[in-house]
Amino acid sequence: KNQVEQSPQSLIILEGKNCTLQCNYTVSPFSNLRWYKQDTGRGPVSLTIMTFSENTKSNGRYTATLDADTKQSSLHITASQLSDSASYICVVSGQGGSQGNLIFGKGTKLSVKP
Amino acid sequence: DAGITQSPRHKVTETGTPVTLRCHQTENHRYMYWYRQDPGHGLRLIHYSYGVKDTDKGEVSDGYSVSRSKTEDFLLTLESATSSQTSVYFCAISEKREGRDNEQFFGPGTRLTVL
Repeated sequence: KNQVEQSPQSLIILEGKNCTLQCNYTVSPFSNLRWYKQDTGRGPVSLTIMTFSENTKSNGRYTATLDADTKQSSLHITASQLSDSASYICVVSGQGGSQGNLIFGKGTKLSVKP
Repeated sequence: DAGITQSPRHKVTETGTPVTLRCHQTENHRYMYWYRQDPGHGLRLIHYSYGVKDTDKGEVSDGYSVSRSKTEDFLLTLESATSSQTSVYFCAISEKREGRDNEQFFGPGTRLTVL
């Protein structure tokens, strides 16, 4: 069964600290993986998209890595800010098929405290 | 929110009543989607559309129907709402582009409560 598992479920860090969120998937065949940020009461917003040939992708203080062999991805946040408090969702797209073939993780809820 | 609006943003209704949620886009994207988001679950696809009058079922389509008569509008209808359909509903759009396949842009969401 195609699944996307994220850890931890929730995380609290102090402002200015770094953190890493994990995503493991069993989707096969694999097309791409993206990370979304979802602020409370808002829709998800795309942070990064990586195909199987890409190992890392950065977007400002956000850096995503992908190991297609072990089917693992991570999202590293550097020098966290209060505005980073949100849920981060890992989404994997299967290869081929229709446009409706995204598998969503349940998300990691990050709280950044002053 | 990438030129996507949803209406209403909040709705409270009673069991057994029909409900229609509207998604409107100004991006002229071909694909449109309806998802629901519940605690303990990832976003789950209800229905999607790949063109005017072209729709298909998603993972959790039972109890929902959709229509797309214009490129910019995608309607989600609950024919007879049940308490299990209490959720936050998100509309999304996407367009096939080189290197950005299937990147979806989400609307602000509609919070629906069925009493």
